[in-house]
Amino acid sequence: GAGVSQSPRYKVAKRGQDVALRCDPISGHVSLFWYQQALGQGPEFLTYFQNEAQLDKSGLPSDRFFAERPEGSVSTLKIQRTQQEDSAVYLCASSLKGTGFNVDEQFFGPGTRLTVL
Amino acid sequence: AQTVTQSQPEMSVQEAETVTLSCTYDTSESDYYLFWYKQPPSRQMILVIRQEAYKQQNATENRFSVNFQKAAKSFSLKISDSQLGDAAMYFCAYRSAPTGANSKLTFGKGITLSVRP
Repeated sequence: GAGVSQSPRYKVAKRGQDVALRCDPISGHVSLFWYQQALGQGPEFLTYFQNEAQLDKSGLPSDRFFAERPEGSVSTLKIQRTQQEDSAVYLCASSLKGTGFNVDEQFFGPGTRLTVL
Repeated sequence: AQTVTQSQPEMSVQEAETVTLSCTYDTSESDYYLFWYKQPPSRQMILVIRQEAYKQQNATENRFSVNFQKAAKSFSLKISDSQLGDAAMYFCAYRSAPTGANSKLTFGKGITLSVRP
């Protein structure tokens, strides 16, 4: 029964570099969310997966951001050509069921702190 | 679009005393869910309490209770018998009803609670 894990916990990138952030949800969880949390702010929704299907990517700030969950378990958030404004903590959350079912708890990972220099 | 407002950036409480954290929200939906999350300095977001909008009875979880005023769109969190371990950032969050809707959470900016020994 491990919780949601994310790696790396900290990432420093030079402006223009590409980065990949990984999320391992709780085993068997159908739903997976990515949120972006700027310093001193609340998390903001980026994208949502139900199994391997990306059902909502309305929160992705630009086409430099790309997320995938090819086998319906592990997910990767990729940011291309990083900019300073991408500096934030990226949180991943998973929940047992998919949308349309009773509300179930979202379990959050510890986040990846991305710093773009 | 739904919005969540937490207007108090910081609050402080004496150990063993009671503190109330405020939250207001705006929505045109009639069915939704409200949450309070706790985020300790380690950054793992933890669910504290949740309230279904269709329920008139205020939710309670041990020392944590809410005052849900649907007409006023207000959702405050009361922490009784405050403990040092309650010190954290607290986020109020909104989620649409699950039927056919995205399960994403909309967060407020958060409030930093400190507990004085």
